[in-house]
Amino acid sequence: QAVVTQEPSLTVSPGGTVTLTCSSSTGAVTSGYYPNWFQQKPGQAPKALIYSTNTKHSWTPARFSGSLLGGKAALTLSGVQPEDEAVYYCLLYYSAAYWVFGGGTKLTVL
Amino acid sequence: QVQLVESGGGVVQPGESLRLSCAASGFTFSRYGMNWVRQAPGKGLEWVAVIWYDGSNKYYTDSVKGRFTVSRDNSKNTLYLQMNSLRAEDTAVYYCAREGQVVGSYLDYWGQGTVVNVSS
Repeated sequence: QAVVTQEPSLTVSPGGTVTLTCSSSTGAVTSGYYPNWFQQKPGQAPKALIYSTNTKHSWTPARFSGSLLGGKAALTLSGVQPEDEAVYYCLLYYSAAYWVFGGGTKLTVL
Repeated sequence: QVQLVESGGGVVQPGESLRLSCAASGFTFSRYGMNWVRQAPGKGLEWVAVIWYDGSNKYYTDSVKGRFTVSRDNSKNTLYLQMNSLRAEDTAVYYCAREGQVVGSYLDYWGQGTVVNVSS
């Protein structure tokens, strides 16, 4: 099965902008992989943020956005808040059958 | 509101079996695919299995093929994961997650998880 890769960690200042990326061992990530993004805080279940590359769930704050950048899926946080400190996971769909998570990006707001 | 409640976790020895359940409420269960996702202590999320809304298709991650079986009872609004021949590396929090009505679209709602500990 495929391997999905994310940056292990990133640091951003409050109010700043940061982009997290998600790549696939099979090649360029396209909309056909239906990229999903999740946020997980310590001791909590994951929370869905983005699906189908750039569609927000009804509860997703406007400062989160998804896109495709340079053959990767991307999650951009604009105007970062202290409460955005968390681990972010991407999820890709393969062969009309199975999902694969990335290893997660630990985002520090400092 | 959508609720997913996992149960059935516990401490078992290597080689033993365990069945997890996920009770769903607040939506029409029979219209949605359902997934199991796990997270080993201090590690990332790992997708485990999916079952389509009607049970017609099931897919698994390679590491559990032949050992785990996902099933559902739409009359009871319940998802199951039968785990056989358990190994230490199966130790994790197991979450159930709802998939969109279109297969492969999204995972939106998650349960709070149930802990499985495989240890001798």
